[in-house]
Amino acid sequence: QKEVEQNSGPLSVPEGAIASLNCTYSDRGSQSFFWYRQYSGKSPELIMFIYSNGDKEDGRFTAQLNKASQYVSLLIRDSQPSDSATYLCAVNDRGSTLGRLYFGRGTQLTVWP
Amino acid sequence: EAQVTQNPRYLITVTGKKLTVTCSQNMNHEYMSWYRQDPGLGLRQIYYSMNVEVTDKGDVPEGYKVSRKEKRNFPLILESPSPNQTSLYFCASSPTGTGISYEQYFGPGTRLTVT
Repeated sequence: QKEVEQNSGPLSVPEGAIASLNCTYSDRGSQSFFWYRQYSGKSPELIMFIYSNGDKEDGRFTAQLNKASQYVSLLIRDSQPSDSATYLCAVNDRGSTLGRLYFGRGTQLTVWP
Repeated sequence: EAQVTQNPRYLITVTGKKLTVTCSQNMNHEYMSWYRQDPGLGLRQIYYSMNVEVTDKGDVPEGYKVSRKEKRNFPLILESPSPNQTSLYFCASSPTGTGISYEQYFGPGTRLTVT
């Protein structure tokens, strides 16, 4: 059974701060990694994916991948109240296409004004 | 409008009564998948399909069946529902197959209660 572990949270940060979300995975053969955001009562939406070691930046979001240590993190800079949501980490067993996906249990983030 | 639709959105049923939750996408996506979401457990993949007539088990396939006879439809079948299948179900699709594309488009969800 492949495991994906996330800080259960909840994580609470003030507006303007950096929110740091962490995820570890058990399978060294994992190929690609995703962060989804899910607002309460809504469907998940993809915000970042990464498949190479290092950092990937998109606006206020930075995904960091360290395959040797088997962790992937998401940093949200200048956090806004609209970032308040549950963040799901997911791991894919394939490199160039989606296949079987393993999700963590999610970290609930609250950004207070 | 490009979208993934699921029907029904809400369903209350009784143990053992066969049911089908439909999923349809109008984006010509190759990849489709079903998930269930339970409090404190995150999303768990039930089945996925890389293309027509190709389906594979996910994390929790027991008690579920799927079929992919057409590219746009991917129904989820519960032959004999049990209370432990009470959950929120999401269908998703992705254009995977046309290059590296990981965007999954999720349907609105189906809340199923089995009594």
